[in-house]
Amino acid sequence: GDSVTQMEGPVTLSEEAFLTINCTYTATGYPSLFWYVQYPGEGLQLLLKATKADDKGSNKGFEATYRKETTSFHLEKGSVQVSDSAVYFCALSVPGGGNKLTFGTGTQLKVEL
Amino acid sequence: NAGVTQTPKFQVLKTGQSMTLQCAQDMNHEYMSWYRQDPGMGLRLIHYSVGAGITDQGEVPNGYNVSRSTTEDFPLRLLSAAPSQTSVYFCASSDVEPGQGGAYGYTFGSGTRLTVV
Repeated sequence: GDSVTQMEGPVTLSEEAFLTINCTYTATGYPSLFWYVQYPGEGLQLLLKATKADDKGSNKGFEATYRKETTSFHLEKGSVQVSDSAVYFCALSVPGGGNKLTFGTGTQLKVEL
Repeated sequence: NAGVTQTPKFQVLKTGQSMTLQCAQDMNHEYMSWYRQDPGMGLRLIHYSVGAGITDQGEVPNGYNVSRSTTEDFPLRLLSAAPSQTSVYFCASSDVEPGQGGAYGYTFGSGTRLTVV
């Protein structure tokens, strides 16, 4: 079946540090890939997405590139802020699968001053 | 404001009780889903719907029922609550991205935190 594997957290960084959260996937079809963010006490928000190989999704300084050859979709940000502290989820959706999302287990990010 | 509205935000149930978690969206989205979020397990799909009158099971459907009589509403029913159903429940909706065959981000509600004692 389809699955998503994320690096385990929590990840603790100093403000302005470089962030990478690894995400790899297995899928039966040609999936679309997503990063969602969950701030404390809130629901999930779509952060960025990519729908085909070599696409780069970007938003709020975050980027991720769809790498079909390595089945990866790593999240990066050049300079994190305290306000980026949240839980980040990688997810995939396979066309024709009822638009269902398969999530990774989430990676908690804590950014300190 | 447009979006996905879930009620209630918090609920405590006794084992064996039944209840319905409400979910409504005003974006005319065809696709709606229910997920549960548990520590260390991410979000797991309970049930989903691809349009009014059409529902299907997800990864963890046991103990839950759904129906979709209108495009806007997608209630989740717990038939006989068990402590294993203590979780945070999220409802989500999406539209199909034109030309992409179903690859579009979901809009999530703010969640219902359920405790079964």
